[in-house]
Parts: sequence; structure tokens; C-alpha cells
Amino acid sequence: EAGVAQSPRYKIIEKRQSVAFWCNPISGHATLYWYQQILGQGPKLLIQFQNNGVVDDSQLPKDRFSAERLKGVDSTLKIQPAKLEDSAVYLCASSLDRGKDGYTFGSGTRLTVV
Amino acid sequence: AQKVTQAQTEISVVEKEDVTLDCVYETRDTTYYLFWYKQPPSGELVFLIRRNSFDEQNEISGRYSWNFQKSTSSFNFTITASQVVDSAVYFCALSDNAGNNRKLIWGLGTSLAVNP
Repeated sequence: EAGVAQSPRYKIIEKRQSVAFWCNPISGHATLYWYQQILGQGPKLLIQFQNNGVVDDSQLPKDRFSAERLKGVDSTLKIQPAKLEDSAVYLCASSLDRGKDGYTFGSGTRLTVV
Repeated sequence: AQKVTQAQTEISVVEKEDVTLDCVYETRDTTYYLFWYKQPPSGELVFLIRRNSFDEQNEISGRYSWNFQKSTSSFNFTITASQVVDSAVYFCALSDNAGNNRKLIWGLGTSLAVNP
């Protein structure tokens, strides 16, 4: 079974620029998560989708971050405008149904804002 | 409130030593899951184990073993005869049971360095 695909693998941008990340979950997985992992910390949940609906976005900085999963499959996470403190690894994960059967993570996108 | 504590921030061992990574959790749920993930320098989170709250049997998988003790709310992870490839950050996580929607609560991770 193919894993969770993410792109790009690395991204360097200047502050105030915008950036987008893409995630393709495991086929058939209804639940998709975006996490932010700052160096030296555990992952922090930004947003959770169930199919194409948002289940939890309580920790998403909505003034600059947005995410969508229009057809209930692929998802994109956007930051506009980026700040220095957004430098982190952005991890996408998917699960069959709300994490009941575990979670599979992608390799992540390492974002550096300079 | 749910919480996961990994008291060891960094551990350094010499190859072939055994090493135990501690994980203590807090939850009011009676049904929950505990996880261990490995994060090598490449950055991906690699699933190691999932254990549900009703199964207290210890588990062994090759050089890895896990000791789950509900009485002390601990889910410790032991690597026997460590190897350089075991060098990584290891995360313990707790999946709560918020209705029908589970969230992962993460520890801060333990950075393990295995030196040749």
C-alpha cells in the first residue's frame, strides 16, 4: 500500500511570502490531519478533516493559515503571509476513520522562513 | 486533562547497550490507545506500536519491547542491544476518546543517540 505523499520536501521562503503544501493520503482513508512540528517539540495538530469537512481547526492560526480538502482526497495547506515563527516541519497524516485504526504519517515538508 | 510526559529529553548510549525510554500518561478515559513513533533525522514519523487500554500484555518485536502498566500509567519502551540506526527522536502519544473522534496527545520526545 502506498503511504501518505507530501510535497514539496523542503521549502525556503522569505517572510511575508506565501507557500502551499500538498498531501495525498492513503487511498480510502477518510480522515486527514495537518500537523506543525517545531524543532525540538512534538507535533501540534493544526486541522483535521473527515472526508471534505473540517472536524477540528481550533489550533489553526486562521488569520494566515488555510487548508482545504475539496474532494475528500488530496489536501492543501497554505500560509499567507508567512512569519519567521512558521519555520517548522508540516506533517500530513491519514487514518481510516478518525484514528480508530491508527495513523500513518507522510515524510513532511520542512519550511524555513528567512 | 490528557497529558503525556517523556521525562528524558536526551539519552546517549554506546552501541549494544540496552536502553529504556520512559513514558507516563494521564487520562480520565477508560478506553484509550497508546503509541510509540520513531522520528529519524529524515523527519518522517514511523509507527512502532499501538496498544489499547484493555491489553496490558507486554509486547516484544525483535529488539524492541514495550511494558504497559496501567497501575503506574506508564508505557515504557526498551531497545535491546542498541544499534546506530536506532538513533532518532522517539515520541510517545496518547489517543483520547473524545466521543467518536480521537486526537493524538504527544509527549515532547526523547532524543536517542547510539554511538559506535
